[in-house]
Amino acid sequence: EAGVTQFPSHSVIEKGQTVTLRCDPISGHDNLYWYRRVMGKEIKFLLHFVKESKQDESGMPNNRFLAERTGGTYSTLKVQPAELEDSGVYFCASSQGTQNTEAFFGQGTRLTVV
Amino acid sequence: AQKITQTQPGMFVQEKEAVTLDCTYDTSDQSYGLFWYKQPSSGEMIFLIYQGSYDEQNATEGRYSLNFQKARKSANLVISASQLGDSAMYFCAMREGLGGYQKVTFGTGTKLQVIP
Repeated sequence: EAGVTQFPSHSVIEKGQTVTLRCDPISGHDNLYWYRRVMGKEIKFLLHFVKESKQDESGMPNNRFLAERTGGTYSTLKVQPAELEDSGVYFCASSQGTQNTEAFFGQGTRLTVV
Repeated sequence: AQKITQTQPGMFVQEKEAVTLDCTYDTSDQSYGLFWYKQPSSGEMIFLIYQGSYDEQNATEGRYSLNFQKARKSANLVISASQLGDSAMYFCAMREGLGGYQKVTFGTGTKLQVIP
């Protein structure tokens, strides 16, 4: 069974450009999470989808970030326009809709804004 | 307020020795889950172990065990017989509330280095 996959693995863009990150969760997982780790800091929650609905987007830093999960399958996270402080590793995770289950993480997308 | 606190930014351990990574948490919920993840230098997040708040016994998975002290709100990870491949960042995390539809909150991580 395929795990959580993220694309691209690395992205280097200039300040002001747009970048779209993609996450394909494990098939059948209702929950999809986006997290971000800025260099040297903790892993910060961005948002949480349950199927196609945004359950919690309290961690989204500002309106330059837009996440979608059309059809409740894969999700995209768009940053437009990108700023230097957006650099970091963006993780996606998915889990089933039951309590006692772990979240499975993708390998992350390393975003560098220059 | 910090939900998950990992007070050890870095730890060293001699190969084959045991090591304890500290984690304390803060929640008012009666039902919650605690997790430990490992992040090697390659970057992926690897699930290690889970402890539910109502589990009476400490969770164990191979060389990993979770020392769960509910009254003290601590969930320390114990790695026995450390191996060089255990060198990595370790994150403690918590999911609060009932059901599976709650977000997972992470600590700041502890960098473990195993010395040969």
